[in-house]
Amino acid sequence: QVQLQESGPGLVKPSETLSLTCAVSGYSISSGYLWGWIRQPPGKGLEWIGNIYHSGSTHYNPSLESRVAISVDTTKNQFSLKLTSMTAADTAVYYCAREVAFWGKGTTVTVSS
Amino acid sequence: ETVMTQSPATLSVSPGERATLSCRASQSVSSNLAWYQQKPGQAPILIYSASTRASGIPARFTGSGSGTEFTLTISSLQSEDFAVYYCHQYNNWPRTFGQGTKVEIK
Repeated sequence: QVQLQESGPGLVKPSETLSLTCAVSGYSISSGYLWGWIRQPPGKGLEWIGNIYHSGSTHYNPSLESRVAISVDTTKNQFSLKLTSMTAADTAVYYCAREVAFWGKGTTVTVSS
Repeated sequence: ETVMTQSPATLSVSPGERATLSCRASQSVSSNLAWYQQKPGQAPILIYSASTRASGIPARFTGSGSGTEFTLTISSLQSEDFAVYYCHQYNNWPRTFGQGTKVEIK
């Protein structure tokens, strides 16, 4: 069974960079599929952040494209999210996923000084 | 961007009744449409994708549609089905989600 687990800081200061990692088990990222990140602000809906292929090719949400970078490390079977210039509006639960079927449990990120 | 519009925003249904949820895309997404169920404090789980029920999902859930019009029908609502449902297109870039339909107990 494919499993994904997010990890990273739960608290980030305004203007800092968020770094999250998604560890994948039960499937090799090198074997294919799209891998990505989705977030959900408190009490709101789901927002797609971006996807990456095992080759490293990426697609990003235009609204975040200037601040976001997704990378993959096939040797560790994990992929990562970096989001720069964090503000309170970036406070959310961040999910990693293998499009479309498998999601992690999510990690809560709060932006506050 | 492909805008996904779900209706209604809230659906009040009695247990045992049928629920019909709609999702409309602003441009064709072919059959590349997924439905997710989300309960409070939990990650979304896949109900349907590309007209195929996900593994372990009861047969009372039926998805239909292609192109721009999609429907998720729950034939006889059980207590565990009361949740928020999101549609998600994975045909076009950027990927997009609908705003959600909350299915609540009447």
